[in-house]
Amino acid sequence: QSALTQPASISGSPGQSITISCSGTSSDIGNYNYVSWYQQYPGEAPKLIIFNVSKRPPGISDRFSGSKSGNTASLTISGLQSEDEADYYCASYTRKLTRLFGGGTKVTVL
Amino acid sequence: EVQLVQSGAEVKRPGTSMKISCRLSGSPFSDFYIHWVRQAPGKGLEWMGRVDPDDGEALYADDFQGRLTIAADMSTDTAYIELYSLRSDDTAVYYCATEKPYCSSTTCYDFKSWGQGTHVSVSS
Repeated sequence: QSALTQPASISGSPGQSITISCSGTSSDIGNYNYVSWYQQYPGEAPKLIIFNVSKRPPGISDRFSGSKSGNTASLTISGLQSEDEADYYCASYTRKLTRLFGGGTKVTVL
Repeated sequence: EVQLVQSGAEVKRPGTSMKISCRLSGSPFSDFYIHWVRQAPGKGLEWMGRVDPDDGEALYADDFQGRLTIAADMSTDTAYIELYSLRSDDTAVYYCATEKPYCSSTTCYDFKSWGQGTHVSVSS
């Protein structure tokens, strides 16, 4: 099964907002609200930042927000900060009960 | 707080097999599914499969069918992944992660806790 589709890279200036898209199909994102997002710094394990499309775990900044429309989920980072420079991955539950990750997006803060 | 501690780095020859462990502490083992995710150097995350420690039922990604076994030992709160017929492109960091297989106000089929990762290098 092919990975969910994310842009390879996105950049923005401090204070700006950026949005990362994550495109799937009706067999995954389109049929379930079980979409999550992960932040990963080099050499570290991924960290959950959004679950259930738009919910934030305790301790995650409200500058991170998630949404979904049809087969595409999105992660928005508002008020971009240097510490947001990292790789971001979406993930979804699928019709086959498996899980699927996006290819990852490298966020650069200019 | 849930903690996952994985076994150490491994160097393997092509054609051999590897086995990595992941021990959970801080919460009942049976509360979670344990998933395995790998990341090749410079690449993205790849979901491999998961096990339900309660009944040992495992589910695998299509790409690994027949070459992968995921199991759990309730007596030691430890999950294992065994990958056979190793190739050079199996070189990666392997992570275990927990998932509560339901939706609530605090979770919804997400990977909340992760192990520290195990480096596996496959080379002749």
